[in-house]
Amino acid sequence: DGGITQSPKYLFRKEGQNVTLSCEQNLNHDAMYWYRQDPGQGLRLIYYSQIVNDFQKGDIAEGYSVSREKKESFPLTVTSAQKNPTAFYLCASSIPGATQWSTEAFFGQGTRLTVV
Amino acid sequence: AQSVAQPEDQVNVAEGNPLTVKCTYSVSGNPYLFWYVQYPNRGLQFLLKYITGDNLVKGSYGFEAEFNKSQTSFHLKKPSALVSDSALYFCAVRDREGSSGSARQLTFGSGTQLTVLP
Repeated sequence: DGGITQSPKYLFRKEGQNVTLSCEQNLNHDAMYWYRQDPGQGLRLIYYSQIVNDFQKGDIAEGYSVSREKKESFPLTVTSAQKNPTAFYLCASSIPGATQWSTEAFFGQGTRLTVV
Repeated sequence: AQSVAQPEDQVNVAEGNPLTVKCTYSVSGNPYLFWYVQYPNRGLQFLLKYITGDNLVKGSYGFEAEFNKSQTSFHLKKPSALVSDSALYFCAVRDREGSSGSARQLTFGSGTQLTVLP
């Protein structure tokens, strides 16, 4: 089945630790995104990547880092610099081409990160 | 900067009654508009989108939405609600003519929790 796979589903982090969230897609999408979801605040864009080996900061990039070494993979690292990392993290992708701006994004099932 | 407002945090409706979830948007150019649904602890599922043409857009599971340019609105509707429609609904916008990188990305509203009562 084609889709976006996020792992793990639940993740616990101790304060001061870095953790990496995995996002893999087999949809052949060029564009990939990371969003953070907090109750009552909707989704906020952390980072996005339009093509392999290129990525851009979103609205709340501080304390996060990403890489895009392969088309299929866009891992997100939550660093110790992120002061309030407890949230639900969603990865998404969308199709390439001239019409990509009119296309919908496809989402993974999310990773719930909790700082303990 | 583009933005989306969903003025109601919570909407309750009886099963079988029509439902409306409201969305208004702000972009500098013309919008692409989207509705997504989210079930607990799950990702977002695409429902429908407005790109161009007919202002009434039909989507998945019997949902539809009406684009109103003068009111900058894109309300989600369904003629007869089901208990299984209970979920969190998100409206999103993308600026069709956005020139900067961030403006070409989806901007989401804060979400509306729909509860359909049996």
